[in-house]
Amino acid sequence: LAKTTQPISMDSYEGQEVNITCSHNNIATNDYITWYQQFPSQGPRFIIQGYKTKVTNEVASLFIPADRKSSTLSLPRVSLSDTAVYYCLVGERSAAGNKLTFGGGTRVLVKP
Amino acid sequence: DVKVTQSSRYLVKRTGEKVFLECVQDMDHENMFWYRQDPGLGLRLIYFSYDVKMKEKGDIPEGYSVSREKKERFSLILESASTNQTSMYLCASSSPFRLDGTDTQYFGPGTRLTVL
Repeated sequence: LAKTTQPISMDSYEGQEVNITCSHNNIATNDYITWYQQFPSQGPRFIIQGYKTKVTNEVASLFIPADRKSSTLSLPRVSLSDTAVYYCLVGERSAAGNKLTFGGGTRVLVKP
Repeated sequence: DVKVTQSSRYLVKRTGEKVFLECVQDMDHENMFWYRQDPGLGLRLIYFSYDVKMKEKGDIPEGYSVSREKKERFSLILESASTNQTSMYLCASSSPFRLDGTDTQYFGPGTRLTVL
């Protein structure tokens, strides 16, 4: 499983765009990049998943350069309720069971 | 909506006790997982199961066992609880065959276990 590195924390203000970059230099050909969000006292929640280029959904965008050695989660116009820990995961999708490795995550604090 | 429930939010046990943590999912998912979460260490996979009566060790299986007798239920067992097993325990489930191609894991709310 590829190791990921992401910032420990970052602060932002309401209405700003937050970009969190994750490094995964040893990503394998079959690996996908997945981001989860975790609020205090709750389990993580899936945000977005991608393999290459750009993926967008109603919550976030995920930018993946051609070499796939990093990825950036973009949260547009954050609000106070986006304060959470964000985890970047890299792993192979497998019908037999997808083993995920969660690192320490990035603690995002959104200020008024 | 997928729902993953865990039997307790908070649990206090004594060293040496046998502890059962129960997890139930209502979406007919094939895969189920047990993680523990500790400050500074993120989530670590203890065991997972991709079918009834099937189980595989995760990264930190020592001191734990699991049981999956029915598809919707996955139990984590601490045979003899120790203080270093004080942690937040999270259960998750997923289906490898989602129509959108992702393999999202859905997590329960967690059980905060304290072993005295």
